[in-house]
Amino acid sequence: AQSVTQLDSQVPVFEEAPVELRCNYSSSVSVYLFWYVQYPNQGLQLLLKYLSGSTLVESINGFEAEFNKSQTSFHLRKPSVHISDTAEYFCAVIRNSGNTPLVFGKGTRLSVIA
Amino acid sequence: GAGVSQSPSNKVTEKGKDVELRCDPISGHTALYWYRQRLGQGLEFLIYFQGNSAPDKSGLPSDRFSAERTGESVSTLTIQRTQQEDSAVYLCASSLDWLAGATDTQYFGPGTRLTVL
Repeated sequence: AQSVTQLDSQVPVFEEAPVELRCNYSSSVSVYLFWYVQYPNQGLQLLLKYLSGSTLVESINGFEAEFNKSQTSFHLRKPSVHISDTAEYFCAVIRNSGNTPLVFGKGTRLSVIA
Repeated sequence: GAGVSQSPSNKVTEKGKDVELRCDPISGHTALYWYRQRLGQGLEFLIYFQGNSAPDKSGLPSDRFSAERTGESVSTLTIQRTQQEDSAVYLCASSLDWLAGATDTQYFGPGTRLTVL
């Protein structure tokens, strides 16, 4: 079975500061990795995903995440955050053979302070 | 609409009552998923459908929970004799095809917030 640990439940950060949201996973098989974001009063949206190839993946709004197999991590980073980035961020994994559900972490609430 | 929709958005019920939650997936999506998000917890997988078949029901927390799907369309999640621990946000998601496996993006609805008094 897979599991996901998001080490920080809440991360406050000032606007234009960098941020890193940590995600570690546990799995005995190869996995794909995802970050989902939930803006206030909205549904979950896919932010970015790692399937294969380059271990650094980017989203269209400036976030990036790096898959580190040796450390079983998939931390999410942004060099300069905006107020609009305030949201809850969920890390998730799935077996790359499919036919199993996504396994989510408990989420990290990012609060950007003006 | 173009996205996944769920109804009702909020439901308050008394302990012991039955509730029915509805999910309308994106048109053309054959795979549909139900998750539960309790306060302070991550998303907990409940059940998925490929078409109207539910191959894996092991995520359902008890026999009070059941789900069905009409063809490749609407799904309903029913909770019988609700308990206070059932209070949560129930999320529905859909994707093109379960068999396409992990690479399919799941698109989530806004959720139904269930409160059992």
